[in-house]
Amino acid sequence: SQQGEEDPQALSIQEGENATMNCSYKTSINNLQWYRQNSGRGLVHLILIRSNEREKHSGRLRVTLDTSKKSSSLLITASRAADTASYFCATDEAGTALIFGKGTTLSVSS
Amino acid sequence: GAVVSQHPSWVICKSGTSVKIECRSLDFQATTMFWYRQFPKQSLMLMATSNEGSKATYEQGVEKDKFLINHASLTLSTLTVTSAHPEDSSFYICSARPGPSRNSPLHFGNGTRLTVT
Repeated sequence: SQQGEEDPQALSIQEGENATMNCSYKTSINNLQWYRQNSGRGLVHLILIRSNEREKHSGRLRVTLDTSKKSSSLLITASRAADTASYFCATDEAGTALIFGKGTTLSVSS
Repeated sequence: GAVVSQHPSWVICKSGTSVKIECRSLDFQATTMFWYRQFPKQSLMLMATSNEGSKATYEQGVEKDKFLINHASLTLSTLTVTSAHPEDSSFYICSARPGPSRNSPLHFGNGTRLTVT
């Protein structure tokens, strides 16, 4: 099953620009997490935001969570070519497993 | 820390044969591991939750007799794709977290690319 829906599905920007990805989910959550996946590789955890938090920062990453709208956003500031990857949100629906959204493919050109 | 190792990273097999994929937690114990499948340009789909010392819990639509999961120790879970067919070709990824809290991230292996010819 898939919990989250990300938009946009694909995003192309220039280096130095900001990239914003959105995620919506359907059920109540304990936390929401964002992961990054380089092509053909496993996932790398970026940031976790708990249901009682509204905003969280980590380096060039900023995540917001609106539980009333069941949505989250990931902002990558001053993007770099190395940020090119797929980004997924995931929620802890029904237990300890994570359910992933469809993902946003980010392409940053130099 | 919190490294998950998956082996092999890629495998090609003939239709009808079985393939075993290993997932190891290298520096922590994992009573629970998770197996996901990912088709090209798609998201990760949870296949099953592997529980050390007990039966795995499979998601709806996942055949437990086809995807055999064994979690024999606190650091090793295996997924065996039995009687593989071309439609089983996919990217299989395992994950685990060092600790019971849901408020901690999952750590992922690098995945196994399975191609069934």
